[in-house]
Amino acid sequence: DTGVSQDPRHKITKRGQNVTFRCDPISEHNRLYWYRQTLGQGPEFLTYFQNEAQLEKSRLLSDRFSAERPKGSFSTLEIQRTEQGDSAMYLCASSASDGVANEKLFFGSGTQLSVL
Amino acid sequence: GENVEQHPSTLSVQEGDSAVIKCTYSDSASNYFPWYKQELGKRPQLIIDIRSNVGEKKDQRIAVTLNKTAKHFSLHITETQPEDSAVYFCAASIGDTGRRALTFGSGTRLQVQP
Repeated sequence: DTGVSQDPRHKITKRGQNVTFRCDPISEHNRLYWYRQTLGQGPEFLTYFQNEAQLEKSRLLSDRFSAERPKGSFSTLEIQRTEQGDSAMYLCASSASDGVANEKLFFGSGTQLSVL
Repeated sequence: GENVEQHPSTLSVQEGDSAVIKCTYSDSASNYFPWYKQELGKRPQLIIDIRSNVGEKKDQRIAVTLNKTAKHFSLHITETQPEDSAVYFCAASIGDTGRRALTFGSGTRLQVQP
């Protein structure tokens, strides 16, 4: 499968615990995005990387959230001290920069987080 | 930052009819406008996109129109089929000179009645 893959598919955790999600983008894509989606809403931007550089982070993003892409390939998203309001689908997407602002995002299947 | 508003939130049509979904955006610097389709329990998938240098783009039964002056764009689906039933999201971004990440609308749930 050469698409974007995310792991795990589902995560149930207790409030206050830390969780980490992984995303493997399409191999030739240099841009990687994290979005969050709640029921009935569109994806909400969290952060994005070009290669290993984190170029943008949503102002709405709590400092409990951190993301890394250490070698410009896979990425991890960590949420510390989870809260019930963090329950959502966390989507990863990747795209290839062709020098002409190519923004066609390819999404993964997401990680569904439930905080009890 | 960019704000994208989408309407209607739900749309029900009879099979064979046309469906139109409209979006407005706030940032006049936005220049890329894709549409994504998300079936229940699945990932969003790009179905069509348009850049600000064109006013209309068509791909078989779907088309997108863009009015930069009014800052709105629309998705048109003709001859709808039951498999068109899904949630559709519009989005906007600025591209290379600014914020690359897409800002999404809140979605339209399209139901095509057989």
